[in-house]
Amino acid sequence: EAEVAQSPRYKITEKSQAVAFWCDPISGHATLYWYRQILGQGPELLVQFQDESVVDDSQLPKDRFSAERLKGVDSTLKIQPAELGDSAMYLCASSPVGNEQFFGPGTRLTVL
Amino acid sequence: DQQVKQNSPSLSVQEGRISILNCDYTNSMFDYFLWYKKYPAEGPTFLISISSIKDKNEDGRFTVFLNKSAKHLSLHIVPSQPGDSAVYFCAASGISGGSEKLVFGKGTKLTVNP
Repeated sequence: EAEVAQSPRYKITEKSQAVAFWCDPISGHATLYWYRQILGQGPELLVQFQDESVVDDSQLPKDRFSAERLKGVDSTLKIQPAELGDSAMYLCASSPVGNEQFFGPGTRLTVL
Repeated sequence: DQQVKQNSPSLSVQEGRISILNCDYTNSMFDYFLWYKKYPAEGPTFLISISSIKDKNEDGRFTVFLNKSAKHLSLHIVPSQPGDSAVYFCAASGISGGSEKLVFGKGTKLTVNP
């Protein structure tokens, strides 16, 4: 069964360092999402891509976060510099046409 | 302001009994609703959904009910099994800023006791 792949699964970093997360969506899914989930909260959308174009990045803290999907397939989310408050689960999801989104296993980020 | 609310952070039920998880929403523009299940250290997994033109959708042990006038939906699990123990997220879908978006509630942690 096709799955969304994410790496790394866990990342520990010190504040002010740069971190990057990678996502490979299900083949053929044109829409890709990055979410942040803080413990005890639901996932919150950071950025949405349609193919290689950003559709929505209104909730992305652009002073430190960046996201790209250069060839419209896999995607990278970067944080530079990381802050203590960035500790969270970062989830990637993909979607064919329609409402259902398929999530990857996530990357658990801890900033020390 | 939270557009999707799950007011019960946790729920505990006995194996074999019914689990009822509730969700309220405020935005009348939402036209599709989904439930996701999440185990620790894993991503959310799609469980069941319902369109705003329906009031009930059933899939095996899982049934979702939608009351549009009350802006309320619920997920029923019958019978509940210990493997159902997880965090359940309610999500609502609608067009915002020209694109389809999912808005999630905070989740309800379900514990099914053997």
